Amino acid sequence: DTEVTQTPKHLVMGMTNKKSLKCEQHMGHRAMYWYKQKAKKPPELMFVYSYEKLSINESVPSRFSPECPNSSLLNLHLHALQPEDSALYLCASSQVSGTGSYEQYFGPGTRLTVT
Amino acid sequence: AQSVAQPEDQVNVAEGNPLTVKCTYSVSGNPYLFWYVQYPNRGLQFLLKYITGDNLVKGSYGFEAEFNKSQTSFHLKKPSALVSDSALYFCAVRSFKAAGNKLTFGGGTRVLVKP
Repeated sequence: DTEVTQTPKHLVMGMTNKKSLKCEQHMGHRAMYWYKQKAKKPPELMFVYSYEKLSINESVPSRFSPECPNSSLLNLHLHALQPEDSALYLCASSQVSGTGSYEQYFGPGTRLTVT
Repeated sequence: AQSVAQPEDQVNVAEGNPLTVKCTYSVSGNPYLFWYVQYPNRGLQFLLKYITGDNLVKGSYGFEAEFNKSQTSFHLKKPSALVSDSALYFCAVRSFKAAGNKLTFGGGTRVLVKP
């Protein structure tokens, strides 16, 4: 099974709302990622978790708050977002190696619209 | 620093003809190279990777890619394109020295296969 699942598929939220995106994988991967993707652009890395610990934060605004409750789950908590945060949010997972040779597996994404 | 260039925003090809999507890279040290495909409103799907060994890498759905160290290229190829191959293709690179499992993506190439 090489599936990464994400919920919800679509989310519309106001700038004062609090919402969460969820990601799950059962491939035994110990690295998980959040990406933001604008239309027709490549994914932009936001956060990396390795062995449930935050290892990379790409200077993401604090209105995005990641959480990794266990090795299978990854959440992204959203609060006080701006309209420019509207995008496709992708979750990915991979095995961990010192060389980084493993490919990442992506979920289908959550299409977020901030009104 | 690591970077990837996909010089063509779009590639048009007739069904049944060979398909080539170009990618060049820049890294310090040995590169790990990946190709992903993205269909509309979907996540990225892993096609193939080069880590070491044979310069010709075979992947999913009849795709292959050739690693050329002297030209720092990793072009994606398919001998006979299908209409269903129409999608957005991303090349990505990671160097052994890069922190975490951080991938750097190219800007993407849209492939349109016409019947």
